[in-house]
Amino acid sequence: SQTIHQWPATLVQPVGSPLSLECTVEGTSNPNLYWYRQAAGRGLQLLFYSVGIGQISSEVPQNLSASRPQDRQFILSSKKLLLSDSGFYLCAWSAGQGVDEQYFGPGTRLTVT
Amino acid sequence: AQSVTQPDIHITVSEGASLELRCNYSYGATPYLFWYVQSPGQGLQLLLKYFSGDTLVQGIKGFEAEFKRSQSSFNLRKPSVHWSDAAEYFCAVGDAGGTSYGKLTFGQGTILTVHP
Repeated sequence: SQTIHQWPATLVQPVGSPLSLECTVEGTSNPNLYWYRQAAGRGLQLLFYSVGIGQISSEVPQNLSASRPQDRQFILSSKKLLLSDSGFYLCAWSAGQGVDEQYFGPGTRLTVT
Repeated sequence: AQSVTQPDIHITVSEGASLELRCNYSYGATPYLFWYVQSPGQGLQLLLKYFSGDTLVQGIKGFEAEFKRSQSSFNLRKPSVHWSDAAEYFCAVGDAGGTSYGKLTFGQGTILTVHP
């Protein structure tokens, strides 16, 4: 069966520090991968999605970036964190090329101080 | 662009009472619709989805939803709520466009509180 992992589970970082969040998927090949940010009372905001290795699409301009170095690995990064980057970050995957159910990871709680 | 509106930010019901969570969507073509549930500090779990066919769809945990094209709605219902249903619920619409790669647009969420 397929599983999705995210780490770390929680992270507290000072303003201006770098960020690296990792997401890996097991049990499937060539998934579509997604990064979302969830702020309190604001639903889920799609940040990036990827349909293949090295293929990244950005939905929202910001100081975050994403990379997909391997088929089932998706990384969210920042060179310098802002206070506004605090939130709950969720990784998700889906199969196929059309609309399908997205399967979510457990999330990373990021607090920028 | 598609959008989803969940008019109720917070709903409180008593255990055993019926529940209806509202969802209205905006999408130019036949929508692909989803309801997800999220417990505090957790990821999202799919409750049910509608792609086509019967407009009343059954999901897990005793939930159902009805697609009404004329009202652009996809409301979630449960006949008898359990305390364990307390969570946040998200409605989402999928973009079936050729270059959209299955992107979902989520509503703002509805927090459900269940009183004993």
